[in-house]
Amino acid sequence: NAGVTQTPKFRVLKTGQSMTLLCAQDMNHEYMYWYRQDPGMGLRLIHYSVGEGTTAKGEVPDGYNVSRLKKQNFLLGLESAAPSQTSVYFCASRTPGNTEAFFGQGTRLTVV
Amino acid sequence: GQQLNQSPQSMFIQEGEDVSMNCTSSSIFNTWLWYKQEPGEGPVLLIALYKAGELTSNGRLTAQFGITRKDSFLNISASIPSDVGIYFCAGDRTNAGGTSYGKLTFGQGTILTVHP
Repeated sequence: NAGVTQTPKFRVLKTGQSMTLLCAQDMNHEYMYWYRQDPGMGLRLIHYSVGEGTTAKGEVPDGYNVSRLKKQNFLLGLESAAPSQTSVYFCASRTPGNTEAFFGQGTRLTVV
Repeated sequence: GQQLNQSPQSMFIQEGEDVSMNCTSSSIFNTWLWYKQEPGEGPVLLIALYKAGELTSNGRLTAQFGITRKDSFLNISASIPSDVGIYFCAGDRTNAGGTSYGKLTFGQGTILTVHP
């Protein structure tokens, strides 16, 4: 059972480039999340989804877009990367009635 | 901005000491969660609290849900080197049936270092 898988694990982008981070879960979870983790800032919620075809903004959504076309996948897009988006990105998923969120291992993104 | 404030930001302790950390919010949550993150990994759930005033233990860990529903506390007794990591609190809101509304908010984390 793979759980939550994030792709890629590492990436270096140039300012202005675009990319998509993929999160896949095989636990049939309804809710999925994208967080960014920066030193001293903890985990900040970027976007989340409570079901296939639905998304909602979190605390720091600017500069990011998301899509949840399939229940098992949650994509995070950066249309024009900026150095301020250098961070470690975590995806998580859970069921509506269960407080435990399961996290992926993270994607370390550097924008130069 | 973030709604949850954790303190302290970091702690350096000797093995065997007890540890206390807390989390406060400007708004009410009806579920409080404590997670631990080890280097290179995603956070993992330690304890979940569902009721104001609740005190719950998981081995050497004890967490409490504040009676105002705006704070929570985590204590670790007799720390050991493997307690090293970042501890996060998280707040959740659920309906009367216990189903989460979805949004899961985390604090800034407390970095714990344990010296042997």
